[in-house]
Amino acid sequence: NAGVMQNPRHLVRRRGQEARLRCSPMKGHSHVYWYRQLPEEGLKFMVYLQKENIIDESGMPKERFSAEFPKEGPSILRIQQVVRGDSAAYFCASSLTSGEGTEAFFGQGTRLTVV
Amino acid sequence: DQQVKQNSPSLSVQEGRISILNCDYTNSMFDYFLWYKKYPAEGPTFLISISSIKDKNEDGRFTVFLNKSAKHLSLHIVPSQPGDSAVYFCAAPSNAGGTSYGKLTFGQGTILTVHP
Repeated sequence: NAGVMQNPRHLVRRRGQEARLRCSPMKGHSHVYWYRQLPEEGLKFMVYLQKENIIDESGMPKERFSAEFPKEGPSILRIQQVVRGDSAAYFCASSLTSGEGTEAFFGQGTRLTVV
Repeated sequence: DQQVKQNSPSLSVQEGRISILNCDYTNSMFDYFLWYKKYPAEGPTFLISISSIKDKNEDGRFTVFLNKSAKHLSLHIVPSQPGDSAVYFCAAPSNAGGTSYGKLTFGQGTILTVHP
């Protein structure tokens, strides 16, 4: 059973370009979470999605960032018009359930560098 | 507002000795806590958890202690091994509003180095 798969592992974008980060959850998992880790900081929650629905986007910046988890295919985190401050490691996690005792499994992350 | 705090950025321990990593929290609504371990260029991996109805949970060399009155938890690793060298994150589900226990608030992390 493959783990959470994220691609690309590394992404370099020039300021103003768009970045698309992909996440395939573990088989059977319908809960997906995106986190961002800035240098020297812990992981910060961005968004929680279930299939075709955004459940909680309280950690998402109001502009330029969007996320989706379509019925078919991976979850996508999209950053439009990237700026240098968007440079970070972006981690996706998935879980089978959402109640107490839920274990979130993390992917290896996408390291975004904006030049 | 940092609701989960790990005030020690780093810890250095000799192989075979005990490693103690500390974590404080401010939100009294937190009722479940987790420790994750992270190697460079990899995602965090789950290590051990504890429910607020317990004050101790043990799994092999790893034990987590919870002091609810002090809003403090600690992870003990004994004996420490060089392969334990990693960043350790304390986390709590921030599921206010009933979203999901997978929505986690992380501490800043502590870099553990175990010397042979």
